[in-house]
Amino acid sequence: AQTVTQSQPEMSVQEAETVTLSCTYDTSESNYYLFWYKQPPSRQMILVIRQEAYKQQNATENRFSVNFQKAAKSFSLKISDSQLGDTAMYFCAFMKFNGGATNKLIFGTGTLLAVQP
Amino acid sequence: DTGVSQDPRHKITKRGQNVTFRCDPISEHNRLYWYRQTLGQGPEFLTYFQNEAQLEKSRLLSDRFSAERPKGSFSTLEIQRTEQGDSAMYLCASSLVLAGVYEQYFGPGTRLTVT
Repeated sequence: AQTVTQSQPEMSVQEAETVTLSCTYDTSESNYYLFWYKQPPSRQMILVIRQEAYKQQNATENRFSVNFQKAAKSFSLKISDSQLGDTAMYFCAFMKFNGGATNKLIFGTGTLLAVQP
Repeated sequence: DTGVSQDPRHKITKRGQNVTFRCDPISEHNRLYWYRQTLGQGPEFLTYFQNEAQLEKSRLLSDRFSAERPKGSFSTLEIQRTEQGDSAMYLCASSLVLAGVYEQYFGPGTRLTVT
């Protein structure tokens, strides 16, 4: 069974600063995907960034980037130039590879990020 | 395309009553997932459909829970004889089965409170 662990329940960052959210996971699968999802207060969850396990290059999406360490089973999210709109709960999630289709997501417990003005 | 919608957004019910939630996925999406999120936890997988076929059910889905997707479009999740432990946010997500497509799109959720 796969597990996802987020050890930082809450974090705070000043606007325009950089923050890193941690995530570790456990799996015996060799082919999988990792995701960071954002859940703003009272709004629906949206995908922030995705990493395929077979890719060595870390994914980036504008101000968001990941540090994927496959051997260490670590998948951290770095948010640069933090903005007030980044305030949200962030979930790390694991998905087993399933051919050409999505599969169920296994989520961590989340990190509540507050961006301070 | 208006995204994934869920109805109702909030439901308060008394213990022992039955409740039903509805999820309307993005129109061309053939996979539909149900998750449950309790306070302070991440979403937990309940079940998923490909078109009208229910392909997997979590052990969290006790026999009081039933989900359907009768015509491969919208889905319903029914909870019979609700218990206080059923209080949670119920999330629906949909996705397209297509090589290289891995994103699940989430709805706003239905928050259930059992009193």
